[in-house]
Amino acid sequence: DVVMTQSPLSLPVTLGQPASISCRSSQSLVHSDGNTYLNWFHQRPGQSPRRLIYKVSNRDSGVPDRFSGSGSGTDFTLKISRVEAEDVGVYYCFQGTHWVWTFGQGTKVEIK
Amino acid sequence: EVQLVESGGGLVQPGGSLRLSCAASGFTFSDFWMSWVRQTPGKGLEWVANIKQDGSEKLYVDSVKGRFTISRDNTKNSLYLQMNSLRAEDTALYYCAREWDFDFWGQGALVTVSS
Repeated sequence: DVVMTQSPLSLPVTLGQPASISCRSSQSLVHSDGNTYLNWFHQRPGQSPRRLIYKVSNRDSGVPDRFSGSGSGTDFTLKISRVEAEDVGVYYCFQGTHWVWTFGQGTKVEIK
Repeated sequence: EVQLVESGGGLVQPGGSLRLSCAASGFTFSDFWMSWVRQTPGKGLEWVANIKQDGSEKLYVDSVKGRFTISRDNTKNSLYLQMNSLRAEDTALYYCAREWDFDFWGQGALVTVSS
């Protein structure tokens, strides 16, 4: 199975400051159809996960533009340009290129 | 508004069975793949199973193959997960999700396998 490794696992952030989460895969996530199936999810405390980003850099409907995804191959990044209080929680990357689909272990974002 | 509502969770003994249901609304259910994803404190998020729009294709993670069965009833806008031969390691919060890459999630159903 493809292993998804996130870093850091814990990220204390200051309100209004940028934040960045890395996700690395054990194999290239470029599918034979040319797409890269790398998604990002956000789970607030006590809530279900919510998809933020699909196929590396596409924001889901209603996701604020302070969130952006980038990367290629095996290295991917989720960036928050200016952290707001509602951004706390755990962020997960996910790969849907290689079956069995797998998630990263999660990065917990908290306010300093 | 897309809504997914799971039900059927509970406490079951090892070796027992449980059937989860997911009622979908706010979208054309028969147009979408549907999925089950589970979450545990120790293993995090784990994809469990997917089913194609017409039920003709079903995919499972290896750890549940032969024990779990995913199914759907497009006339009832409902998704199911029949879980047999349950083990302690199946204890988790089970989410119903739309699409094979989970664009919408339900609130989850807690399954506890314990004697």
